[in-house]
Amino acid sequence: EAGVTQFPSHSVIEKGQTVTLRCDPISGHDNLYWYRRVMGKEIKFLLHFVKESKQDESGMPNNRFLAERTGGTYSTLKVQPAELEDSGVYFCASSQDIGGIPYNEQFFGPGTRLTVL
Amino acid sequence: AQSVTQLDSQVPVFEEAPVELRCNYSSSVSVYLFWYVQYPNQGLQLLLKYLSGSTLVKGINGFEAEFNKSQTSFHLRKPSVHISDTAEYFCAALIYGGATNKLIFGTGTLLAVQP
Repeated sequence: EAGVTQFPSHSVIEKGQTVTLRCDPISGHDNLYWYRRVMGKEIKFLLHFVKESKQDESGMPNNRFLAERTGGTYSTLKVQPAELEDSGVYFCASSQDIGGIPYNEQFFGPGTRLTVL
Repeated sequence: AQSVTQLDSQVPVFEEAPVELRCNYSSSVSVYLFWYVQYPNQGLQLLLKYLSGSTLVKGINGFEAEFNKSQTSFHLRKPSVHISDTAEYFCAALIYGGATNKLIFGTGTLLAVQP
């Protein structure tokens, strides 16, 4: 079974440009999460989808970030326009939806390393 | 504020020596605690988790961790490390309730195993 995949693995763009990151979760996983790690700091939660709905987007830094999950399968995270402080590694994770318990293991992708110059 | 703290950013150790990676959590977070490992060019992999029950949890690759409620700690240990254990290790806690179900992470500890 394929794991969580992310594309691209690396992206280098200039300040002011637009970048779109893609995440393909494990098949059948309704929950999809985006996290970000700025260099040297902790991995921080950005948002959580349940199927195509945004369950929690409390971690989104500002309105330059737009996440979508049309059809409840893959998700995209667009940054427009990109700023220097957006540089970091963006991780995607997915989990099954097993009712009745708070914890369902999150499986992580390899991340997309974004560099904004 | 809810937080997870890893005080050691880097831990150098010789092969076959024991190692302990420290993690403390704020008492306001849930007691669902995790250790993840990230090998070079790979995603985060779950090493072990504490959800309830025995405070000593065993994970993959010979690692174990002990949940200590009084000290709000969840330190990771291995009695004898290998070169292949060189990786970055992240401690995390689950925040859940209502619409929230997310992990909060520490800043990571780079374990550098030397021959």
